Amino acid sequence: EAGVAQSPRYKIIEKRQSVAFWCNPISGHATLYWYQQILGQGPKLLIQFQNNGVVDDSQLPKDRFSAERLKGVDSTLKIQPAKLEDSAVYLCASSPGLAGRRETQYFGPGTRLLVL
Amino acid sequence: GENVEQHPSTLSVQEGDSAVIKCTYSDSASNYFPWYKQELGKGPQLIIDIRSNVGEKKDQRIAVTLNKTAKHFSLHITETQPEDSAVYFCAGVTGGGNKLTFGTGTQLKVEL
Repeated sequence: EAGVAQSPRYKIIEKRQSVAFWCNPISGHATLYWYQQILGQGPKLLIQFQNNGVVDDSQLPKDRFSAERLKGVDSTLKIQPAKLEDSAVYLCASSPGLAGRRETQYFGPGTRLLVL
Repeated sequence: GENVEQHPSTLSVQEGDSAVIKCTYSDSASNYFPWYKQELGKGPQLIIDIRSNVGEKKDQRIAVTLNKTAKHFSLHITETQPEDSAVYFCAGVTGGGNKLTFGTGTQLKVEL
């Protein structure tokens, strides 16, 4: 079974530029998550989708971050404009069932973003 | 919201020794506690989990214990091997979704 795919793996941009990350979850997984992991910290949830609907985006900085999961499969996360403090690894994860189930989340390798 | 604290931040053991990592959580409604292992350049991978109706769970060299009264849970790794070297994260889940609140991580180093 193929795992969660993410691209690009690395991205370097200057502050105030825009950037987009892509995620393709495990086939058939209903729930998709985006996490931000700052160096030396645990991942922090940014947004959670169930199929193509948003379940939780309470920690997403909506003035600059946006995400979508059109058609309930792959997803994109965008930052516009980027700030220095956005430098982090952006992890995508998916889980098989609906949002309320306590089940394993499978993580992709992440996209490492450096904002200069 | 949930807050998860994790100790120690770094842990160095000799190969074959045991390692213990401890976490505490704040929300008494939390009912699911997974542990993830993260190797350099990779995403976290689940190694074991425990639900609030269970006090202990074991899988080969790895075990997790949960004390709901004290709101803490621990990861125990026995007979450590060099390939156990990684960052380990505990997490708690509460509320209606499956949102993970992670601890700050423990860098485990197993020395030969």
